[in-house]
Amino acid sequence: QSALTQPASVSGSPGQSITISCTGTSSDVGSHKLVSWYQQHPGKAPKLMIYEVSKRPSGVSNRFSGSKSGNTASLTISGLQKEDEADYYCCSYAGTSAVFGGGTKLTVL
Amino acid sequence: EVQLVQSGAEVKKPGESLKISCKASGYNFTNYWIGWVRQMPGKGLEWMGIISPGDSDTRYSPSFQGQVTISADKTISAAYLQWSSLKASDIANYYCARRFIGSYHPGDFDYWGQGTLVTVSS
Repeated sequence: QSALTQPASVSGSPGQSITISCTGTSSDVGSHKLVSWYQQHPGKAPKLMIYEVSKRPSGVSNRFSGSKSGNTASLTISGLQKEDEADYYCCSYAGTSAVFGGGTKLTVL
Repeated sequence: EVQLVQSGAEVKKPGESLKISCKASGYNFTNYWIGWVRQMPGKGLEWMGIISPGDSDTRYSPSFQGQVTISADKTISAAYLQWSSLKASDIANYYCARRFIGSYHPGDFDYWGQGTLVTVSS
């Protein structure tokens, strides 16, 4: 069970949009709609931002959106804000377990 | 208010055993699965396993099966992660987290503990 593949880093300026990809296989990302995204600030616990590919938990800004095509899921953050600077992780259902992506560091320039 | 409060940081020697805890409050403990996530220093998140406190049904990542044991005590609303023989490679921050109700995904966690740092050094 290998970690899902994410870019190590992405960056954007305030107000811009960025997209983070998460590539798996037909055994995990590609086989269902159970992909989540987490945000983690340094020294803090992760926070759920997206679940079931594109749903937002209560309280999460609608600037965060998710999608999926084939074996690749994506997280898009629009109207970038400085507070969005953090690490982002995707997480996919993988049979009876789950697997995270390697994480992407988002820098807001 | 939902809270998951984890036990404090641990410093152990290689070969020693360890059991860390995650105490839940503010909700019906038996209704929600509790998962454990590892984060090694400077590294990403790793899903370790999950337990249903109501019936102790437990699932493990293949990477952690046989390396750790996850358990729960519903009488005191606590979940546990334990090692029988620690290794230097077990150095990490370990988080417990609650899987939110209605989710089919064992990685959908809506509340997290603060993390327990485990250090293994001779």
